[in-house]
Amino acid sequence: DSGVTQTPKHLITATGQRVTLRCSPRSGDLSVYWYQQSLDQGLQFLIQYYNGEERAKGNILERFSAQQFPDLHSELNLSSLELGDSALYFCASSNSGRDTGELFFGEGSRLTVL
Amino acid sequence: AQSVTQLDSQVPVFEEAPVELRCNYSSSVSVYLFWYVQYPNQGLQLLLKYLSGSTLVKGINGFEAEFNKSQTSFHLRKPSVHISDTAEYFCAGVLPGGFKTIFGAGTRLFVKA
Repeated sequence: DSGVTQTPKHLITATGQRVTLRCSPRSGDLSVYWYQQSLDQGLQFLIQYYNGEERAKGNILERFSAQQFPDLHSELNLSSLELGDSALYFCASSNSGRDTGELFFGEGSRLTVL
Repeated sequence: AQSVTQLDSQVPVFEEAPVELRCNYSSSVSVYLFWYVQYPNQGLQLLLKYLSGSTLVKGINGFEAEFNKSQTSFHLRKPSVHISDTAEYFCAGVLPGGFKTIFGAGTRLFVKA
């Protein structure tokens, strides 16, 4: 158990819809990262938050947005969903104070867009 | 720009045989390097990491990796694999002081009986 909690584990929805994925980081971790994993694209970095502020941005579409709340949990919002958005979305956290870069991953949220 | 390249997308190997999963990185500065493993239907978990010091790093489940600065490589090895080692393995790197971890494309290790 990594200590990172993601909900929901599975989500099935239709094209054009909007979903929210939630992540609770390990206790004490200030950084939250979101990754998308698909068969054709591999593991793609989407976005990172550190203590409530956006720190780094990767290949995140404009239809996607994220935020980190004062209690450090994070949400990834995916809107106007397309078939190609079907993927496994991972959240990871780290204790950036240690500066080692080690990430702790949740078990992921599997999104299926029909 | 920093990148991490895993040279093999799939590696089939027989049980109890040795295995090496290859990883090269490009960077003009020192990096922290990692190997993560992803078992089916699970998230990634850390196998081992290189931060500094000894270039031979030992991790969990009998895996080890060697940091080679001259060849910019960080290959993962295990002298004798088990069926339970079947998984996807990711090499990753991050610049010290940076907050973005870059992952390789992954290598699927398939251990056959």
